[in-house]
Amino acid sequence: EAGVAQSPRYKIIEKRQSVAFWCNPISGHATLYWYQQILGQGPKLLIQFQNNGVVDDSQLPKDRFSAERLKGVDSTLKIQPAKLEDSAVYLCASSFVGTNTEAFFGQGTRLTVV
Amino acid sequence: GQQLNQSPQSMFIQEGEDVSMNCTSSSIFNTWLWYKQDPGEGPVLLIALYKAGELTSNGRLTAQFGITRKDSFLNISASIPSDVGIYFCAGQLGNQFYFGTGTSLTVIP
Repeated sequence: EAGVAQSPRYKIIEKRQSVAFWCNPISGHATLYWYQQILGQGPKLLIQFQNNGVVDDSQLPKDRFSAERLKGVDSTLKIQPAKLEDSAVYLCASSFVGTNTEAFFGQGTRLTVV
Repeated sequence: GQQLNQSPQSMFIQEGEDVSMNCTSSSIFNTWLWYKQDPGEGPVLLIALYKAGELTSNGRLTAQFGITRKDSFLNISASIPSDVGIYFCAGQLGNQFYFGTGTSLTVIP
């Protein structure tokens, strides 16, 4: 079974530029998560989708971050404009809905804002 | 968000030693999960716990879901060099996950 796919693996941009990350979840997983992991910390939830609807985006900085999952499968996360403090690893995860709903993670995208 | 506190923050042990780490919260969770993260990779699920008091093993790893549902423990027996990494606990409420601060493990050959 294929895992969660993310791209790109690495991205370096200048502050005030925009950037987009892509995620393809495990087939059949209705729930998709985007996490931000700053160096030395645990993952922090940015946004959670169930199918193509947003379940929780309370910690998403909506003035600069946006995410969509239009067809309920793959998802994109965008930052515009980027700030230095956005440097982090952006992790995508997915899970089933129902019992045994543990989340499985992709390898992440490491973003460096200079 | 929910606060999950992991301890210790870091550990340096000799190969072959056993390791214990724990995770505590002020909130009750329905599920406890333990993940391991290698440098440059995403977290990989090690063990999932679904019932209070449950004790589950995965090879040399054993984890327990605390009776109060506010804590969990992970033990690694006979550590080997590839156990090096950061271990995260996660508590689940509904379909939302909250992660701990991580325990960094270094195994000295």
